[in-house]
Amino acid sequence: DAKTTQPPSMDCAEGRAANLPCNHSTISGNEYVYWYRQIHSQGPQYIIHGLKNNETNEMASLIITEDRKSSTLILPHATLRDTAVYYCIVRASGSARQLTFGSGTQLTVLP
Amino acid sequence: DAGVIQSPRHEVTEMGQEVTLRCKPISGHNSLFWYRQTMMRGLELLIYFNNNVPIDDSGMPEDRFSAKMPNASFSTLKIQPSEPRDSAVYFCASSYYGRSQASPLHFGNGTRLTVT
Repeated sequence: DAKTTQPPSMDCAEGRAANLPCNHSTISGNEYVYWYRQIHSQGPQYIIHGLKNNETNEMASLIITEDRKSSTLILPHATLRDTAVYYCIVRASGSARQLTFGSGTQLTVLP
Repeated sequence: DAGVIQSPRHEVTEMGQEVTLRCKPISGHNSLFWYRQTMMRGLELLIYFNNNVPIDDSGMPEDRFSAKMPNASFSTLKIQPSEPRDSAVYFCASSYYGRSQASPLHFGNGTRLTVT
């Protein structure tokens, strides 16, 4: 699976959009971009994933660049409960293999 | 959907004792994963199963660790004998793996193990 690079930490004001970047310059054509988050003391929570088109669900939006070498997770209206570590992971479709977690981005939503 | 259920939530034991962690995956999922999380090493995969068969156990630290999946709705991770360095949060996750696609992993809330 391709390696990802994320900033170690970010702050965001409550009510504003949180934009979390991820670089995955070695991504292959059959690899999806997955986003998870982990709130303190809980298990990682799936947020969203995509291949090349932008995706949106009730939690977030995922914007993938045309060359697929980077992506941005957008939380449109961040709340204090969105404070968590966010992980960007690249994984091949059809793979039963595990997800490999990096260090992620610690997002702190400030009141 | 009850999600992935792990038990116990907390376990405190003395060095040398046997510890058994339990996991019930989401119904219909056919892949199950055991992860361990520590401050020093982050989230590490220990072992995963597909259709109850262990596929990759290269992350299991040593022979003191063993995992079983006797059926599609239950798995155990056993540490015997336990050591203080095994103290960590252990997560179980499950997903569905089909012919050409894999669903996202869904995680339980973990078992916090403390070995004194």
